[in-house]
Amino acid sequence: SQKIEQNSEALNIQEGKTATLTCNYTNYSPAYLQWYRQDPGRGPVFLLLIRENEKEKRKERLKVTFDTTLKQSLFHITASQPADSATYLCAPYNAGNNRKLIWGLGTSLAVNP
Amino acid sequence: GAGVSQSPSNKVTEKGKDVELRCDPISGHTALYWYRQSLGQGLEFLIYFQGNSAPDKSGLPSDRFSAERTGGSVSTLTIQRTQQEDSAVYLCASSFHQGGNTGELFFGEGSRLTVL
Repeated sequence: SQKIEQNSEALNIQEGKTATLTCNYTNYSPAYLQWYRQDPGRGPVFLLLIRENEKEKRKERLKVTFDTTLKQSLFHITASQPADSATYLCAPYNAGNNRKLIWGLGTSLAVNP
Repeated sequence: GAGVSQSPSNKVTEKGKDVELRCDPISGHTALYWYRQSLGQGLEFLIYFQGNSAPDKSGLPSDRFSAERTGGSVSTLTIQRTQQEDSAVYLCASSFHQGGNTGELFFGEGSRLTVL
C-alpha cells in the first residue's frame, strides 16, 4: 500500500542553523509533492509545491528537493528562527488516488533561541 | 471572508447526540475536503467534493458520518449518535482545480469536537 514516512522524532535545532526534514514515500510515483506547516490548534498552511520534473524549489529561506529515484523529498529551512517552530507535513499527490493528497504524519520542529 | 471558515470552532456534546459541522470554502474553489485529526495524529481523509461530481466518501469511518455540499459552496458534515472516539479536530479545506492538478489546499481552523 502507499506509504509516507517523515522523521518520527521531533527535531530540535539551534537558531541560525539549517533544519532538514525528510519525507519518504513507497509504492507509488507522485506527480508532485506539497509541503505544509501546521501550528498547534491551527489548520495546515501551504508552503511549497515541487513537481516530479523539478529537482529543487526555493522560496525565501525554504528549499525543497525531490528525488524520484530515491523516492524522497527533503525540506530545508536555512537561518532558522524560533518562529519556524511548528509541525511540517509532506503530501505527495497521486493522480490515481482520485486527486486526494496522501499525508505524512508530520515532523515537529523546535528552533531554540 | 477571504479564507475557509468553519463553525463551530469548539463543540462539546454528549455521547449519542448528533452534531453538525459547517464549512464555508473560499469563493470559486471547486474542490472541498473534510479531514479528521486526532491529538498527535496525522490528517485522516473523510470525504471529497469536486464540482458536480459524485463525492468521494471512501474515508468516512462509519454510516454515522455523512456530508453534503449545497450549491457547490457550503458543506455540512453530520455525525449521528456521536461516540467518544469521534472526539477530534475536523478540518475542512478547499482548492481550485486547474487542469489535472489539485493545487494547494486552503484549510480552515477546524472544529474541535469533544464527545463526553
